[in-house]
Amino acid sequence: GENVEQHPSTLSVQEGDSAVIKCTYSDSASNYFPWYKQELGKGPQLIIDIRSNVGEKKDQRIAVTLNKTAKHFSLHITETQPEDSAVYFCAASRYSGAGSYQLTFGKGTKLSVIP
Amino acid sequence: GEEVAQTPKHLVRGEGQKAKLYCAPIKGHSYVFWYQQVLKNEFKFLISFQNENVFDETGMPKERFSAKCLPNSPCSLEIQATKLEDSAVYFCASSQYKGMNTEAFFGQGTRLTVV
Repeated sequence: GENVEQHPSTLSVQEGDSAVIKCTYSDSASNYFPWYKQELGKGPQLIIDIRSNVGEKKDQRIAVTLNKTAKHFSLHITETQPEDSAVYFCAASRYSGAGSYQLTFGKGTKLSVIP
Repeated sequence: GEEVAQTPKHLVRGEGQKAKLYCAPIKGHSYVFWYQQVLKNEFKFLISFQNENVFDETGMPKERFSAKCLPNSPCSLEIQATKLEDSAVYFCASSQYKGMNTEAFFGQGTRLTVV
């Protein structure tokens, strides 16, 4: 089955600096890669996603890049703010063979932005 | 509604008791997914529905777990004879298009504690 590895598990940055989180996936059939932000006691919130026909996508301070050949994708947050502090999850969506897709998540990165 | 609504927020059960969790998907979303998040942040896919039909149940422990999505009712996830290892946060997500190859919106989760 699909396996998604996420690094680092924890990341501390100074306010205003950039943060980069990297993920690799194993299943070359995966074609949808969302990123979720989870704050304490809350559900995951989709912040950006990318499909396999696109190499890069940007939304204000957040960008995601995808390298299909190397099977890795990354989240970039620029000009970090304290409210960016949360746990971030990458995920990959693959065809399960049962007629549906299911998300396989990485193990999360706890981002702390130090004021 | 405009958000995925999960109830209850917290649930405590003695080992061997039954637990039932509810999820109301976003209005108009025809796909519902259940995920289990254990203490180390890991997400495990359990089951997905297309309307009231099971779409993919490859993640469901068959012996004690069951789920339904009936017309005009919240979806439900039921655990018979709970065990200590069932303690986790259970998230429901819904999406508008087929499978997870599109935006999936998560609820706030139900924290199940088995004592």
